[in-house]
Amino acid sequence: DAGVTQSPTHLIKTRGQQVTLRCSPKSGHDTVSWYQQALGQGPQFIFQYYEEEERQRGNFPDRFSGHQFPNYSSELNVNALLLGDSALYLCASSQDGWYQETQYFGPGTRLLVL
Amino acid sequence: AQKITQTQPGMFVQEKEAVTLDCTYDTSDQSYGLFWYKQPSSGEMIFLIYQGSYDEQNATEGRYSLNFQKARKSANLVISASQLGDSAMYFCAMRRPISSGSARQLTFGSGTQLTVLP
Repeated sequence: DAGVTQSPTHLIKTRGQQVTLRCSPKSGHDTVSWYQQALGQGPQFIFQYYEEEERQRGNFPDRFSGHQFPNYSSELNVNALLLGDSALYLCASSQDGWYQETQYFGPGTRLLVL
Repeated sequence: AQKITQTQPGMFVQEKEAVTLDCTYDTSDQSYGLFWYKQPSSGEMIFLIYQGSYDEQNATEGRYSLNFQKARKSANLVISASQLGDSAMYFCAMRRPISSGSARQLTFGSGTQLTVLP
């Protein structure tokens, strides 16, 4: 049973560029959430996608956008990169539900903005 | 606003001993979920254990147990018989009730770095 996968594992960009990160959810999961984890901190929620729409968003600017595809995979796009966008980006998948909805995380993408 | 506090930036434990990682939370919700995750140096967040606010018994998963004290708003993780592979960062996280507008996100603490000594 494949877990959550993310690509690429590492990425180096320069300020002002745009980046796309990809995530494939765990088998049987239909919901994808994205988190940003700066060095030495806990993850911060960016947004969640369900049924190909953004269902909830954290306190992140519009430079952060996403997409979910019919096969439930998802992309995170960041435009006009800033040095402060350097972080580990984690994707988490879950099965939509009304009770315990455990999120399972992928290995992350480490983004370095120079 | 919800807040998770982990007051132990680093902890050391001898192999085969038990260790308790502290987590306190602040919320006005009556219904909520509490999670613990392990993050090795590789970066992946590994789900360990879940406790619902209305669960009467403390959650257990193998060597992991959650010491849930609702009145004190604490949800400490207990790892029994520590192993070298337990060395990692541990995060406590909370999720609000489904009826709230922000139920889908997890709010994380700042983490505790656990080092298991041989």
